[in-house]
Amino acid sequence: QVQLVQSGAEVKNPGASVKVSCKASGYTFSSYDVNWVRQATGQGLEWMGWMNPNSGNMGFAQKFQGRVNMIRDTPTSTAYMELSSLRPEDTAVYYCARGRAITVTPKQYYYYDLDVWGQGTTVTVSS
Amino acid sequence: SYEVTQPPSVSVSPGQTASITCSGDKLGDKYACWYQQKPGQSPVLVIYQDNKRPSGIPERFSGSNSGNTATLTISGTQAMDEADYYCQAWDSSTVIFGGGTKLTVL
Repeated sequence: QVQLVQSGAEVKNPGASVKVSCKASGYTFSSYDVNWVRQATGQGLEWMGWMNPNSGNMGFAQKFQGRVNMIRDTPTSTAYMELSSLRPEDTAVYYCARGRAITVTPKQYYYYDLDVWGQGTTVTVSS
Repeated sequence: SYEVTQPPSVSVSPGQTASITCSGDKLGDKYACWYQQKPGQSPVLVIYQDNKRPSGIPERFSGSNSGNTATLTISGTQAMDEADYYCQAWDSSTVIFGGGTKLTVL
């Protein structure tokens, strides 16, 4: 079955970087984007960005520009999200999710959703 | 930048119909989808492309999108439907989430 399995919880000091992995299985890794979404305790979903494993193209939410990087290792079907210059407010559960696009639609408008999600990785930033 | 807005909370009695709205400028010209998230779990896609149900999602979940508002409707709401619900749109190569709606079944 289609599955995304993420790496384990991390505890980091302020100013450090964190790298979270997301291993895909059950589908062709290069055929779908990988997105990253985070959620602070008691808060809503916050989209961080997407990466196309085939082309390496990426897009980020403006808030994370310059602080986030997304990497893929195609032979192992694994995507990585690296967030640098961590601060306490980066404490959250980080999810990877498969991006599904439908380009030809009745509304002639591009459609995009996140149809499969990883189990989440808790990142705690504290001194 | 584009934004979509949801009510923070909606309450419904068991067996009744729950409606959760998602508002955005000319949202009906775009597509909306909906995720359900229960405490301690990852989000699950329950409606995609305005009104389609993924495999395994009960028929009581339905969706619509017209004008400035997309709506998630849960008919015959059950206690197991109590959860947070998020709408999502796509604009300028960006995923846009609503703030989420807590559905209480009481």
